[in-house]
Amino acid sequence: GAGVSQSPSNKVTEKGKDVELRCDPISGHTALYWYRQSLGQGLEFLIYFQGNSAPDKSGLPSDRFSAERTGGSVSTLTIQRTQQEDSAVYLCASSLFGGTYYGYTFGSGTRLTVV
Amino acid sequence: ELKVEQNPLFLSMQEGKNYTIYCNYSTTSDRLYWYRQDPGKSLESLFVLLSNGAVKQEGRLMASLDTKARLSTLHITAAVHDLSATYFCAVSTGTASKLTFGTGTRLQVTL
Repeated sequence: GAGVSQSPSNKVTEKGKDVELRCDPISGHTALYWYRQSLGQGLEFLIYFQGNSAPDKSGLPSDRFSAERTGGSVSTLTIQRTQQEDSAVYLCASSLFGGTYYGYTFGSGTRLTVV
Repeated sequence: ELKVEQNPLFLSMQEGKNYTIYCNYSTTSDRLYWYRQDPGKSLESLFVLLSNGAVKQEGRLMASLDTKARLSTLHITAAVHDLSATYFCAVSTGTASKLTFGTGTRLQVTL
């Protein structure tokens, strides 16, 4: 597609429920990233996929968070047993060859509110 | 651990004035990025700086990179209201290419 597409744009969920956030990267981009933006923590790296390599999960804050990328394209970020501190905007980005020379294109984000 | 610091955190300036936003980082890197974010919107790429001494300009914005000082600057010339937004610098290191962001600078240009 023309840009990075994320859905839903807004999600309100009850504490303890599971949520799935979707990211559809730019066609042909081999690298995909998830970031979280919250008032207290700024922009935090969560996870990175590059081609068929094992993902870099070093930024995931707890084992309640997981992500997968199917067929080298669409990615889903899953948060299990959501907590109020999970409330944030979740941003997805994609890049060509890891972003070094071409930069990173961000989606419009999913605003998650846990009540 | 890589740390990226920006200052100031908030900048209120009058139209027509010049100002500079500073971005310091703690670990050797030669890849630095500047982004703009409007309220409720996503991040828009402004500049990609890939080498020491790199300078890029787009309209009233100019970014530079000094890898020896581990410093990047974003200079605003003759500010206009449309430049009001939050500006982030970000540094990429290692093979993972993940970005570490600065705290952001909220710029408010007043008439």
